[in-house]
This record gives sequence, structure tokens and C-alpha cells, in this order.
Amino acid sequence: GAGVSQSPSNKVTEKGKDVELRCDPISGHTALYWYRQRLGQGLEFLIYFQGNSAPDKSGLPSDRFSAERTGESVSTLTIQRTQQEDSAVYLCASSLFFRLTDTQYFGPGTRLTVL
Amino acid sequence: LAKTTQPISMDSYEGQEVNITCSHNNIATNDYITWYQQFPSQGPRFIIQGYKTKVTNEVASLFIPADRKSSTLSLPRVSLSDTAVYYCLVGGSARQLTFGSGTQLTVLP
Repeated sequence: GAGVSQSPSNKVTEKGKDVELRCDPISGHTALYWYRQRLGQGLEFLIYFQGNSAPDKSGLPSDRFSAERTGESVSTLTIQRTQQEDSAVYLCASSLFFRLTDTQYFGPGTRLTVL
Repeated sequence: LAKTTQPISMDSYEGQEVNITCSHNNIATNDYITWYQQFPSQGPRFIIQGYKTKVTNEVASLFIPADRKSSTLSLPRVSLSDTAVYYCLVGGSARQLTFGSGTQLTVLP
């Protein structure tokens, strides 16, 4: 079946612009996760959803970052007034449920470059 | 928060067995240990998960001692295509989903 998809695959924007990153999880997966990966570094957890609810938003780097999920499906990560330090690959993952043993399936990521 | 420590990099030759150890001294009772593999320009991919003792699947083995303060990912007979970054992940809740910098494994011919 289809895996996790993300769009766009690449996004180049100017400093100060807003960007929206989209994630389509595997159908039927109730949990969805967003991560950020800067060049040569590990994954930084941003936020997760159980259904359409995000119980903990403390991982978001600043109030310029927001995320939503609708229909227990598509999720959008929005970055307002982008800064150069926002340049990174943004990865989305989904899992069947939010349980200790549930495997996360990752998408290919969106490479964001802020000029 | 169960912080993990892994070697930054390892080199191996084709056909050898590779063991990557992860230290997690502050692991909690409910925490599981999961390993992911990441190739360049791709998202991480699940390899194996365990709670204690030994787990084996078609790709790797995971050894966890009784105190669970460390774990070792064992890759039998590696090939060039196993060159990737390997992440040790310890936790059971979203706030503990910290992958760290991982171990860059380079398999040489």
C-alpha cells in the first residue's frame, strides 16, 4: 500500500515568508509525528497528533510554528515569518496507534531552504 | 528523559558482522529500545525493537542486558548497501522521541 507522502519535496523561500508543509499519513494510522532534521544532525521531535488532537506542543521551536490535522488524515505544518535557521528537512511519520511498540513509518521529507 | 549515547561513526568491511552499542543509563521501566536506519535523503526506517534479552528478525539482532542500560544492534555480514546512519531510540512517549545524532556506519569493499 501507499506509504507516507509529503509535499512539496523541496521548498525555497525568502526570509519572512510563510510556508506550509503537508503530510499524508498511511491510511488508517491514528498517530502522526513531525520532526526536523538539520544538515548532518539527528532528528528533532516537534509535535505529534493522536487523531486530530495535539496533546503536547512544547516541542515546537517557537510560536512561529503551528500544526494541524484534519479528518484524522492530512496534517499541515506551518512556519510563519521564516528565518534562515528554519532551513532543514522536515520529516513526517505515522503509526497505527500511539503505543509504546508502534513502528513509525516516515515520509521522504520536505527540504526547506530559507534564503 | 532517557538520553542515549552512540558512537559517532564506525567503519566495517563487506561480509563482517557489525555491532553498534547504545548507552541509555536512565532508561525507564516502560521504555522500549528501537533502532532505525536512515539513508541519505530518506526518512528513517524501522529495523528492530526490544524490551529485554535478545530479539532477532530477518535484518538484525538486538541484545539487551539485564540492567537494560545499554543495547547492541548486531548486523550480520554487512554489505555496501548497509552504509547508513543508525539511530538508537529509547522511550515510550512522544516527549522522549529524541533520535540523537546516530552512528554513521560506512561499509567498505
